[in-house]
Amino acid sequence: GQNIDQPTEMTATEGAIVQINCTYQTSGFNGLFWYQQHAGEAPTFLSYNVLDGLEEKGRFSSFLSRSKGYSYLLLKELQMKDSASYLCAVIKGGSYIPTFGRGTSLIVHP
Amino acid sequence: SAVISQKPSRDICQRGTSLTIQCQVDSQVTMMFWYRQQPGQSLTLIATANQGSEATYESGFVIDKFPISRPNLTFSTLTVSNMSPEDSSIYLCSVEDRTDSYFFFGQGTRLTVV
Repeated sequence: GQNIDQPTEMTATEGAIVQINCTYQTSGFNGLFWYQQHAGEAPTFLSYNVLDGLEEKGRFSSFLSRSKGYSYLLLKELQMKDSASYLCAVIKGGSYIPTFGRGTSLIVHP
Repeated sequence: SAVISQKPSRDICQRGTSLTIQCQVDSQVTMMFWYRQQPGQSLTLIATANQGSEATYESGFVIDKFPISRPNLTFSTLTVSNMSPEDSSIYLCSVEDRTDSYFFFGQGTRLTVV
């Protein structure tokens, strides 16, 4: 089986930092994606982690611990436009197609 | 990365009818994927569209309900057959960018069945 868990909703203040967690249980592991999805739009790629550690890309960073089945997406210097759903997706062993979690709805307020 | 054009962007359909969704990519891709996103839910893979062979369906999805065509390496269609209100959802086409190893998506088709 394959379980991907992330919080349903988070709120944060403009200019702050927020961390969105994702835990997973899979039979094997081939990588983890984070996507951003604004309401009514298609998901857009943010990051891809296959090895342990932190990947930094501008205001967004993604961390992976394969032994713990854990990842987080870190958003710094939050802007109002960062209000969106953030989807964690895992590629299980023997596959190359991602399976998505339910997503975390992030609300950024002034 | 390739550009995906998906149409229609939205439609309202009567129950019992069928709708065909088109996905056009501006470059040749080996695999194309169809996802469904029901209200408040995450993306669920329906099937992988293979060029030159039948689509590969995920558990819970069958060819009679969701027939898929893949006539060439840049185009695919998904048909939602004999629709019911439970089929109301967003349907998304996706392809893999093999260079950077990520999946990207078309704009989606928002389907409402009444």
